[in-house]
Parts: sequence; structure tokens; C-alpha cells
Amino acid sequence: TQLLEQSPQFLSIQEGENLTVYCNSSSVFSSLQWYRQEPGEGPVLLVTVVTGGEVKKLKRLTFQFGDARKDSSLHITAAQPGDTGLYLCAGADGTASKLTFGTGTRLQVTL
Amino acid sequence: GAVVSQHPSRVICKSGTSVKIECRSLDFQATTMFWYRQFPKQSLMLMATSNEGSKATYEQGVEKDKFLINHASLTLSTLTVTSAHPEDSSFYICSARDRDRYYTFGSGTRLTVV
Repeated sequence: TQLLEQSPQFLSIQEGENLTVYCNSSSVFSSLQWYRQEPGEGPVLLVTVVTGGEVKKLKRLTFQFGDARKDSSLHITAAQPGDTGLYLCAGADGTASKLTFGTGTRLQVTL
Repeated sequence: GAVVSQHPSRVICKSGTSVKIECRSLDFQATTMFWYRQFPKQSLMLMATSNEGSKATYEQGVEKDKFLINHASLTLSTLTVTSAHPEDSSFYICSARDRDRYYTFGSGTRLTVV
């Protein structure tokens, strides 16, 4: 069974601070996706990383895929209250037959 | 962009009754659809994978006779929770994957069994 552990589980910060969320596994994934989910809604895709060592930027969000394609990180610069939500990483296996979701990181950004 | 419509968004049912949840891909054909369950403040847990015209593949520990999945067309999959009990109360989310292996998620269904 492929497991994706995210850390931290919960993070409460003030507006303007920076943060990093980690997603770690002992398994290799063909690709890894990051999602953000708000209460009562389905997850919304933020980014997909495919190549080991790949770095992608989405405005204030920076995503990195580990060289061995077993881990990933999400860095948010100057967090805003609108960034509040549940962040989920999800790995696709070699055949991309299904996604395995990480344990989740709940982010709360206050004024 | 791709849109997946999930209906209903909320449902309350009495214990012992059955509830059907629909998942439709509105503007693309979904070769595969997935059903997830999410408990409060937890991540998504995959329940089953369904391919159009074939039987669903259930994850370990998921009762196939309780959670009936039908994927009758490339745009529609349904999940029926049979003989629902309060412990089945949860947030159910579907996902559809297109031929390019791009995943789109529905907005979820909050099921409350009383």
C-alpha cells in the first residue's frame, strides 16, 4: 500500500508569513499532484509535477518534486487569508490507474 | 475546463434506507471514475474505481454489497449506499478521469443518516 505522509498536519499562521508543507512517501510515483480543498467542496487541482527535481511556480506558491519522485513540497510566500484550506498531495502510480492521497495539511491564515 | 457534476450535494436519510449519488462528467468522456469517502478533518480515502461497462474494483475493507457502483456510460457513474446506517454518514466525493489521465473532482455529497 502506498502511503503519503504530509507534515505538518495543521498550521496556523498570520498573514504575510511563509510556510512549507511536505509530502513524503517510501514509494515512487509517476507524477504527484497538489490540491486545495475548502469545507464542503471537492478538491481543486493546483499543480501536477512529473519530473524528478521539477519546480513549478503558481503565483506565491512554489511546488517541488523530489529527485527520486518519492516526495514533494509546497511553499507559500506571504500567506493570505484566502490561502486557508486543506492542502492535499496525491500520487499517481506507474499506470496512473488511481490517485493515492496524502494525509492532508490544514492551513489557517489569520489577519 | 472539465466539469464534474455531483448530485445531490446534501442528503439526509433514515437508517435502513438506500441513497443514490450521481456523478456526471459534463463536457468530456470519463474512461474511469473514482469514489472517495472523507471523514471530518481527514483526507480522501479511495473506495472504488469504476470503468464504463465493467464491474467496479473496490479497495480493501469496502463492502461492495453495501456500496453499489454503476458506471453505465462514459459520462455517468452512480454510488448507492444500501441499508444506510449512521456510521455511513460522511462526505462522498467522485472523480472522473479523461483519456489524457486528467482528474476532475465533483463537489461532494454530504450524507447524513439519522
